[in-house]
Amino acid sequence: SAVISQKPSRDICQRGTSLTIQCQVDSQVTMMFWYRQQPGQSLTLIATANQGSEATYESGFVIDKFPISRPNLTFSTLTVSNMSPEDSSIYLCSVKQGARTEAFFGQGTRLTVV
Amino acid sequence: AQSVTQLGSHVSVSEGALVLLRCNYSSSVPPYLFWYVQYPNQGLQLLLKYTSAATLVKGINGFEAEFKKSETSFHLTKPSAHMSDAAEYFCAVSDPDMRFGAGTRLTVKP
Repeated sequence: SAVISQKPSRDICQRGTSLTIQCQVDSQVTMMFWYRQQPGQSLTLIATANQGSEATYESGFVIDKFPISRPNLTFSTLTVSNMSPEDSSIYLCSVKQGARTEAFFGQGTRLTVV
Repeated sequence: AQSVTQLGSHVSVSEGALVLLRCNYSSSVPPYLFWYVQYPNQGLQLLLKYTSAATLVKGINGFEAEFKKSETSFHLTKPSAHMSDAAEYFCAVSDPDMRFGAGTRLTVKP
């Protein structure tokens, strides 16, 4: 299994500012994903972080709002830009080694926008 | 795209009773199915996975799930609930990213 470290674990931010969340994996992984979990809700995929190329975003999510970087096979960042209270959620990093395998998750970043 | 549907957003059982959490999948090809558990303020932990090797899958903490193609179901069960089982449970399908059901909150009464 992969061990995933997410930073920060939680933050309270002012509206209009941006927050960058880091995801570090203890081994090289082929697939990395970012999810959002709104209060009391399930997980919604934001994007697939592709190593060496642009991230692939799901419907309803755009690069200007959620820019993602993936400089290598063990690290990725998600930025939540120009935040509003509606962005208050848990953001989770996830990794997989292949299409048929299970996903492993970080502990999440609990974001509150005031 | 493949998807899963969880029936029942909240299930409440007594300690020692059978736990049954329902999940149905929508797929025209054999899916890869998973159950995850999320404890408060934590990330997701894998309970078990189905990858077509066996229809009855045993997982951690005494949970198991049975893949039934005829019913397009992958229900999660545990013979005897424990207080520590109280959590949110998610069924998921690999597509190849994980697609999650809405979740079922399990409450265990003493």
